[in-house]
Amino acid sequence: NAGVMQNPRHLVRRRGQEARLRCSPMKGHSHVYWYRQLPEEGLKFMVYLQKENIIDESGMPKERFSAEFPKEGPSILRIQQVVRGDSAAYFCASSLRQNSNEQFFGPGTRLTVL
Amino acid sequence: EDQVTQSPEALRLQEGESSSLNCSYTVSGLRGLFWYRQDPGKGPEFLFTLYSAGEEKEKERLKATLTKKESFLHITAPKPEDSATYLCAVQGSGGSNYKLTFGKGTLLTVNP
Repeated sequence: NAGVMQNPRHLVRRRGQEARLRCSPMKGHSHVYWYRQLPEEGLKFMVYLQKENIIDESGMPKERFSAEFPKEGPSILRIQQVVRGDSAAYFCASSLRQNSNEQFFGPGTRLTVL
Repeated sequence: EDQVTQSPEALRLQEGESSSLNCSYTVSGLRGLFWYRQDPGKGPEFLFTLYSAGEEKEKERLKATLTKKESFLHITAPKPEDSATYLCAVQGSGGSNYKLTFGKGTLLTVNP
């Protein structure tokens, strides 16, 4: 299956812990996007990355959240000192090129903060 | 700021009962309008991209159309397996032309 892969699918953390979410893009895709889906809300853009570069992080909270897409390995969305409001589904999408309109989504990671 | 509003929020149909979902949008220069299907516990699955007013695309029982202000997803003779949340999203042609702005979706239930 050459689709976008995310792990873990479900993640439970206590308040104050760290959450690490991983995303492997589709084969051949070098553009990764992270979106967050809060209950009763639509998907919201968080960050756009290319290999080793953050292109746009305007949708990501400035504190506690960070993202990377290293030269080797998956993209990682990191949330430090999680709070209950961070509970949501986090989706990763990838595209072939920046100018490629279609973004293909992974199955998501559902984060629950106790 | 780009905005997308989908209606209705939820729609119940009997199998075979055709209907349409609406997506109204405001965007500074439309680069593309996208329809996705999302099943419970899964990620959005790409359905269509529409680029300009008057364009139509079809896939099985689904047909998407586009005007300058809205898009419709027509479902002809739906089956229970068409039950899902249908998401509409837009991309503007400005500097952040990679961002998808999503609506909240329409939850479609098709009863046998």
